[in-house]
Formats: sequence, structure tokens, C-alpha cells
Amino acid sequence: GAVVSQHPSRVICKSGTSVKIECRSLDFQATTMFWYRQFPKQSLMLMATSNEGSKATYEQGVEKDKFLINHASLTLSTLTVTSAHPEDSSFYICSARDIYRGTDTQYFGPGTRLTVL
Amino acid sequence: EDQVTQSPEALRLQEGESSSLNCSYTVSGLRGLFWYRQDPGKGPEFLFTLYSAGEEKEKERLKATLTKKESFLHITAPKPEDSATYLCAVQAIPRSGGSNYKLTFGKGTLLTVNP
Repeated sequence: GAVVSQHPSRVICKSGTSVKIECRSLDFQATTMFWYRQFPKQSLMLMATSNEGSKATYEQGVEKDKFLINHASLTLSTLTVTSAHPEDSSFYICSARDIYRGTDTQYFGPGTRLTVL
Repeated sequence: EDQVTQSPEALRLQEGESSSLNCSYTVSGLRGLFWYRQDPGKGPEFLFTLYSAGEEKEKERLKATLTKKESFLHITAPKPEDSATYLCAVQAIPRSGGSNYKLTFGKGTLLTVNP
């Protein structure tokens, strides 16, 4: 149980294009999802908290107009990287908060490797 | 500001050689401490949650313990398949009764177990 999927797993795009990443909780409902990015050999950095039916909360230094987050249902959150540039290349990971199994735990997706040329 | 420091940064063990990983934390009020395992190119895999000092959790060759300032992840008789990066994260009690459930991660310990 507690499975989180992400799609796509890898994406390569040209500079200036937009890329959408989906995060789904497959066997539980998640009112809260989180988006992280991870650079090589570094830990996870929280970008934003996504709440179902309301606006996302962004961490300091994260451009909300560049990283658009939509949490339209209890099992789906999307991250859109708008006008992507090479410096946006990174490993993006989502997590979903499960509060229905007796513990308040974040379960992570497998990640999306974004490469911007 | 919440802080998590993990040590060592990297650890090499021989198969069967037991050891411990450390996670020191500073948080205004601890709601939970989490251990995850991350394999290269993959998302973190949940291992344990600890909520209060003195609590212990076990899973196969892993045992996590918690004090008021740190947590240890003990690995008993490790196998090569235990090789991974182990991440520690804390969740603070939200200030002012808010509902912020975010995790603050340490940089991780890269564990390599040689056969």
C-alpha cells in the first residue's frame, strides 16, 4: 500500500518550453502533496506544499509563476515548469501525505528527471 | 529554523559488519522524525517514524531509536542490498496552531556494503 506514481519518469525539452509533471496517490487519498527538487549528491529541497482545492504554498525563493502547481483532486497534483531553462534541469520528486493509516507519513513518488537543452 | 545533521556523510562496511548512522536535530517542537532509504535515481522509500524520546522501531536488519536531540539507525549484519543513501527528516509542530506538515531533510548518509 501507500503507492505514489509520477509521470513522466524522464523528460528532455528545449529551452523556453513548458513541462508538466503528474503526481498520483494510487491507493489512498491525499489532501496534501509536496514537491521537491534534488540536485546530484544533495538532499531534497522542498519547493511547495500543494493542498487539494486551494492555492499552493511556496517556499522562500521559489518562483510561483515559474513552477505552477495544481491539486485538482484528492489523488492528483501537477507541477508545470513554465519557460524552462537549463538551470531548471533537476530531479523533481513529489510526496503525498497519508493520514488515514494511523500514522501521518509522506510517501514519495519515483521522481522525474528533467533535462532542459 | 529547523536543522538536521547526519553523520557520517559516507560509510563503507563489510557484509556482516554492524554499525550505526546518526541524525542530530534542532527543532522547536518535534512532531515526528522520519527515516527514508533512497536508491540512486529513485524517490525515497519510507522506513520508520518516531514520535517521542525512548521510542524504537525495527524492520529486518534496521532499528531506529530516538532521543531528545538525535536519532540512530542501527544496521545489524548488513548485506550488499542495504547499500543506499539513508535520509533523516524532522517534522515540527506548527507554530501558532498552523497546519504546516513539511519535512526538513538532512543531507543523508551514503552507505556502501561490500560483499
